[in-house]
Amino acid sequence: KQEVTQIPAALSVPEGENLVLNCSFTDSAIYNLQWFRQDPGKGLTSLLLIQSSQREQTSGRLNASLDKSSGRSTLYIAASQPGDSATYLCAVPTDSWGKFQFGAGTQVVVTP
Amino acid sequence: DVKVTQSSRYLVKRTGEKVFLECVQDMDHENMFWYRQDPGLGLRLIYFSYDVKMKEKGDIPEGYSVSREKKERFSLILESASTNQTSMYLCASSLSRGLPSEQYFGPGTRLTVT
Repeated sequence: KQEVTQIPAALSVPEGENLVLNCSFTDSAIYNLQWFRQDPGKGLTSLLLIQSSQREQTSGRLNASLDKSSGRSTLYIAASQPGDSATYLCAVPTDSWGKFQFGAGTQVVVTP
Repeated sequence: DVKVTQSSRYLVKRTGEKVFLECVQDMDHENMFWYRQDPGLGLRLIYFSYDVKMKEKGDIPEGYSVSREKKERFSLILESASTNQTSMYLCASSLSRGLPSEQYFGPGTRLTVT
């Protein structure tokens, strides 16, 4: 069974620092990997979807890398801002129909 | 942009009531999902649907049922609400079956059962 782990569970950085968020998965035969952001009491917002054939995917200040062989993905957020404070979750498909297994998330606080 | 809407942001119901949570997506997605999210337990899949009138149990279907009469609408039903069903409920959709594609989430419904 696919297991997804996000370490650390929480992270606090001063404004301007780069954020590095980690996601590990046990079964490397994944089709893609998705990163989400969740604000308190809200739904999940899709940030990036990285396909298994890609090594990186970029959107603005966000960059996601994928290393299938080692079962890891990293989300980089450049020049963090207080508005980046949220919980970040990663998810990988568990079958070809589109069910996903989610990590528990990393709660990020960016202090001014 | 894909839009997934949920009928209520907050809902308070009494034990034993029948509860309906509605989810609508406007992008002709084939797949729709219902999750619940609880502190320390993360996101757990309750039910999913790959097509109209088609449904499959997820990891925690007990106490829930679903209905998908139209492609854009996926309803979660709590037949007899209990206090342990107090939770945040999240609906999601994705494009097509046979291909794991990007999931889009609604804003969530915070359900409290008293």
